[in-house]
Order: sequence, then C-alpha cells, then structure tokens
Amino acid sequence: DTEVTQTPKHLVMGMTNKKSLKCEQHMGHRAMYWYKQKAKKPPELMFVYSYEKLSINESVPSRFSPECPNSSLLNLHLHALQPEDSALYLCASSLVDRGNQPQHFGDGTRLSIL
Amino acid sequence: QQQVKQSPQSLIVQKGGISIINCAYENTAFDYFPWYQQFPGKGPALLIAIRPDVSEKKEGRFTISFNKSAKQFSLHIMDSQPGDSATYFCAARKLNFGNEKLTFGTGTRLTIIP
Repeated sequence: DTEVTQTPKHLVMGMTNKKSLKCEQHMGHRAMYWYKQKAKKPPELMFVYSYEKLSINESVPSRFSPECPNSSLLNLHLHALQPEDSALYLCASSLVDRGNQPQHFGDGTRLSIL
Repeated sequence: QQQVKQSPQSLIVQKGGISIINCAYENTAFDYFPWYQQFPGKGPALLIAIRPDVSEKKEGRFTISFNKSAKQFSLHIMDSQPGDSATYFCAARKLNFGNEKLTFGTGTRLTIIP
C-alpha cells in the first residue's frame, strides 16, 4: 500500500460530465503533484503545488482544474474532457526544503472518457 | 537539454541473471537521479536513487552506477527474479525547492523468465 491515497481508482465519464479526482497524504509533505500517464509511456507532469500554492502549470488545458485545499489534500477537477484525456492520473508528494527527497506516488486513478 | 534517454525499451533476462538498464542525460544542472519501478495497475515506486557526487550505490540486489563525466547512469539488478518483472523508469531532477520537476526516461519493460 502506498502512503499517497488516490480516489477513485477507476472513473468512467462522458465528455459533458464534471468529476473530481482526490489525492491525500499524511506524511507532512508540502509539495504535491499531478501527473498524466498514457499506456507504455512515462508520467508527464501537469501541476505542482508548493505550500498549497500552484507553482508549476505545464500548459495544461483549462478543462483540468487543480485545487489544494490544505497541506494533505489535492484535487483535480475535470470538465468537458476529450477522449484523448483517457489515461492514468497520478498524484505524488515530496518534502520541501530538503535536498534529495524523492517524490512518492499514489496508485493513480484510471480515467476513461466515453 | 531536459531529455533523459533510456535503453533498452524492453529486456528479457533469465532468472538469476543480471538485468542492466542504461540512461543518459544532457543537463548538468540535474543533481538527483532516482529509479522508479512500476507494476501494471500501480503507481511508480521509488527503487533506489543517487546523487552525482557518488559513483555507485547499492541496496540489496539493486545497484546504481553513475558516471558523471559521461553523463550516464545505469541500474543493475543482480540475481533477477520473476517478481522483478515490471517497467523501470530512470529520472533526473533539478533541485529547486518546491518547484522541482522530474524528467523521466522513456521506460524499460523488464521480463524475467524462469
């Protein structure tokens, strides 16, 4: 079991739906990340939050909207997604202010857009 | 300059053999090099990591060799076991507290055969 918990594990939604992905960690990490991973590809960074503030947005379409309500929670709000957005969405977290601290990943949400 | 090249794309090794995966990078600003192991349906899990001021790091059956002058690093899995069958990603990180980004290699699908 990972220390980064993601819910739901699977999500099927239509292109007009609104849904949210949730990520939670209780390791005291103050940096949290969203990645998108397509089959047989490496994770691609989408967003980075540091101390609950958005610090990196990798030019992600506005149909993806991140939110960090507190230091333990990270959400990804989804609206009007396209079929090509079907992928595994991974959340990760890491310590800040200490060098050489790895990112810890959750097991992801498998998203399918109909 | 942000690219990390990984080879081979796939690897088949007999049980008990040595599995070797290689990575090369260009950006000398990278200062932390983790390896992640990913099983189907799971998120990447940190396997082992190294700093560029160290030439080798060993943890159990897993060893990272690092050649700073050649900008190359490799993962060696000794006495490979069927349970090691997974996809392996090398990565490189540029330290920037709270705004760090991992650059992943393209991945190696390792299969250990009995």
